[in-house]
Amino acid sequence: QQQVKQSPQSLIVQKGGISIINCAYENTAFDYFPWYQQFPGKGPALLIAIRPDVSEKKEGRFTISFNKSAKQFSLHIMDSQPGDSATYFCAAGSNFGNEKLTFGTGTRLTIIP
Amino acid sequence: EAGVVQSPRYKIIEKKQPVAFWCNPISGHNTLYWYLQNLGQGPELLIRYENEEAVDDSQLPKDRFSAERLKGVDSTLKIQPAELGDSAVYLCASSLGLAGIHEQFFGPGTRLTVL
Repeated sequence: QQQVKQSPQSLIVQKGGISIINCAYENTAFDYFPWYQQFPGKGPALLIAIRPDVSEKKEGRFTISFNKSAKQFSLHIMDSQPGDSATYFCAAGSNFGNEKLTFGTGTRLTIIP
Repeated sequence: EAGVVQSPRYKIIEKKQPVAFWCNPISGHNTLYWYLQNLGQGPELLIRYENEEAVDDSQLPKDRFSAERLKGVDSTLKIQPAELGDSAVYLCASSLGLAGIHEQFFGPGTRLTVL
């Protein structure tokens, strides 16, 4: 019940295109859904996060869409750039993330020119 | 502001040897986390500290792993003895730990290779 399922495992998108990564969860106690970006040799860094009381959050080119009834959320990267090439992890946590985060398995995103 | 500091960045040891990792969280952060990240996987929590108290160590293999955060600031994670399957990246993270939403900030990790 603690699992967070993420897809796809890898994604190749042309520069300027839209990258979409999806996640699904089971535990209805989760109340915090962050997306992390990780570059090789670095730790994960928070990209954007959402609470379940809103259905969408946008920050610059990054948007989280959240469907509480389906227990799914997704990351959309608009106008994808080569610098966005990284591994992206969705996560879910309770107590607004102050307890442990349960991470998805990651999506390796490659933006090609 | 300095981020989460971890050392060493890389460690190569032979199986059955002991190893220790050190983490210094962001100043003022009460909550400290140790995560394990296997290759191609997301991080998995090993232990969470609120100040010097370990409040969640349910995923820590206590037969060989131990951790401490004696003064509620920096922390050490130890493995003794190490096994081949322990090869992974060990990530430390910290957060303010107060009520409300607080980001977990991750360090760069220690990459452990057990031969």
